[in-house]
Amino acid sequence: SQTIHQWPATLVQPVGSPLSLECTVEGTSNPNLYWYRQAAGRGLQLLFYSVGIGQISSEVPQNLSASRPQDRQFILSSKKLLLSDSGFYLCAWRGQPGAGNTIYFGEGSWLTVV
Amino acid sequence: GENVEQHPSTLSVQEGDSAVIKCTYSDSASNYFPWYKQELGKRPQLIIDIRSNVGEKKDQRIAVTLNKTAKHFSLHITETQPEDSAVYFCAAYSGAGSYQLTFGKGTKLSVIP
Repeated sequence: SQTIHQWPATLVQPVGSPLSLECTVEGTSNPNLYWYRQAAGRGLQLLFYSVGIGQISSEVPQNLSASRPQDRQFILSSKKLLLSDSGFYLCAWRGQPGAGNTIYFGEGSWLTVV
Repeated sequence: GENVEQHPSTLSVQEGDSAVIKCTYSDSASNYFPWYKQELGKRPQLIIDIRSNVGEKKDQRIAVTLNKTAKHFSLHITETQPEDSAVYFCAAYSGAGSYQLTFGKGTKLSVIP
């Protein structure tokens, strides 16, 4: 069966520091991968999605970036964090179109920028 | 692109009563509609979904209905229990090569014992 792992689970970072969140999927190949952000008590904001290695689409211009160095690995980064980057970050995956449309979320990463 | 509207944003019901959450979508090509439940501090989890070739689907106390003509779909929870308290998100998938779900803004359901 497929599983998705995301880490770290929580982190507190000072303003201006770098960020790296990592996500891996097991039990599937060539998945669509996503990064969402959720501010406290708010909805799900799509940040990036990827349909293959090295293919990244950005939904919201910001100081964050994403990379997909391997088929089942998705990384969210920032060179300099802002206070507004605080939130709950969720990695998610979905099979290729035609293989099922459900998106499955990782456990999430709580980021507090201080 | 697709636009999903979800109502109400908050909903309080007495334990044992029913709860209904409604969503509308804009893209008539959308063909898959999942519902997610998110408990406080946890990830959203799929609770039920429906495809465009079906009008209604049930799973124990949860049901989803779809009206393609009107472009709206609803989540029905019967005999609510305190553990149903959570934020619920609807979503729509446009298909036709689309790679993402479009989510509603969520409904915070509180079940009062």
